[in-house]
Amino acid sequence: EPEVTQTPSHQVTQMGQEVILRCVPISNHLYFYWYRQILGQKVEFLVSFYNNEISEKSEIFDDQFSVERPDGSNFTLKIRSTKLEDSAMYFCASSADRGGYTFGSGTRLTVV
Amino acid sequence: AQKVTQAQTEISVVEKEDVTLDCVYETRDTTYYLFWYKQPPSGELVFLIRRNSFDEQNEISGRYSWNFQKSTSSFNFTITASQVVDSAVYFCALSELTSGTYKYIFGTGTRLKVLA
Repeated sequence: EPEVTQTPSHQVTQMGQEVILRCVPISNHLYFYWYRQILGQKVEFLVSFYNNEISEKSEIFDDQFSVERPDGSNFTLKIRSTKLEDSAMYFCASSADRGGYTFGSGTRLTVV
Repeated sequence: AQKVTQAQTEISVVEKEDVTLDCVYETRDTTYYLFWYKQPPSGELVFLIRRNSFDEQNEISGRYSWNFQKSTSSFNFTITASQVVDSAVYFCALSELTSGTYKYIFGTGTRLKVLA
């Protein structure tokens, strides 16, 4: 069964550093998403991406965040200057249409 | 605005007991999808079920069953004869087809502990 692949599974970074989280969506999917889950809390929408541009973003997705699809296969989330409160599990997801997603297994980001 | 409420923060049961996890949602739209996901300690989100708003038929899959009632805006999940491996956090989620994008709104989750 096709999978959404996220790398790395766990990343530790120092506060103020830039971090890039990588995702390989399912190859024929057109819609891409990032979600965040702070430890012990619910999963929250960050951003959706379609046709090479952001289609919607949440209040969480401020200027320190950006997304990119640099080639035909990768979808990345960049956090420019990490803060302690950015520590969370980040999930990538993709979908073929506006229907159900396939989630990746997540990247646990720890900011120290 | 869309909202998903999982009032049960944590439930503990003894193995082989049945357990029902509650989910109540709010939406103004007539077309939407509801989901249940399982999150084991390893952290990934495991898809369990998707139900669209026009399909109120209840569903059973092995020990799992779901009761969708539009009249009460509820989509409850029952595990029959629970097992220790069912221990996890379970999330209910809502997605609206008419929103600007097809984003999910998650509930706060219910932590299920099944004791041997």
